Amino acid sequence: AQSVTQLDSQVPVFEEAPVELRCNYSSSVSVYLFWYVQYPNQGLQLLLKYLSGSTLVKGINGFEAEFNKSQTSFHLRKPSVHISDTAEYFCAVSSILNDYKLSFGAGTTVTVRA
Amino acid sequence: GAVVSQHPSRVICKSGTSVKIECRSLDFQATTMFWYRQFPKQSLMLMATSNEGSKATYEQGVEKDKFLINHASLTLSTLTVTSAHPEDSSFYICSVRLLAFYEQYFGPGTRLTVT
Repeated sequence: AQSVTQLDSQVPVFEEAPVELRCNYSSSVSVYLFWYVQYPNQGLQLLLKYLSGSTLVKGINGFEAEFNKSQTSFHLRKPSVHISDTAEYFCAVSSILNDYKLSFGAGTTVTVRA
Repeated sequence: GAVVSQHPSRVICKSGTSVKIECRSLDFQATTMFWYRQFPKQSLMLMATSNEGSKATYEQGVEKDKFLINHASLTLSTLTVTSAHPEDSSFYICSVRLLAFYEQYFGPGTRLTVT
């Protein structure tokens, strides 16, 4: 089985400050990892993904994430946030164990204040 | 990435009636689509996998006779909530999987309210 844990349910942050959203996963096989963002009353938008290769992955809107196999983590970072980054963020994992269906974490609510 | 649309974006229906939600892949042919349900302040729960030309595969605990899924073409999957009840009120989201990259692209969601 595979699972995802997002360690922070809510992250308040000031505008232009850095932010890190933590994600840990468990799986007995190799995984693909994803971060999605959801704005209110909308679907999910893919921020970035790790499939293989370089462990540092750059995504849209200035976000990046680092895959750490030994720590089974895939934390999301942004060096300077904007008000428009206020949203819900979901970490997700897939593998052959689940026919590459996505397993989502519980989500992290990021609130950016001026 | 793929562009996915859903229709309607919002629907209100009376208890006991049926509601159909459409999910369209606008620029990719999708052999596999997924249907999710999301309650307020919660994560997405996978309901079923929609396979083009064959029966949908439902997750454990999801009633297949209540949530009818049809994937009649490579660009369209429909979810019909039959005999809807207030507890079926939720946000329903579909997605398309690009097999080459194993990533999913999501529709904008449909807000269903059953009165």
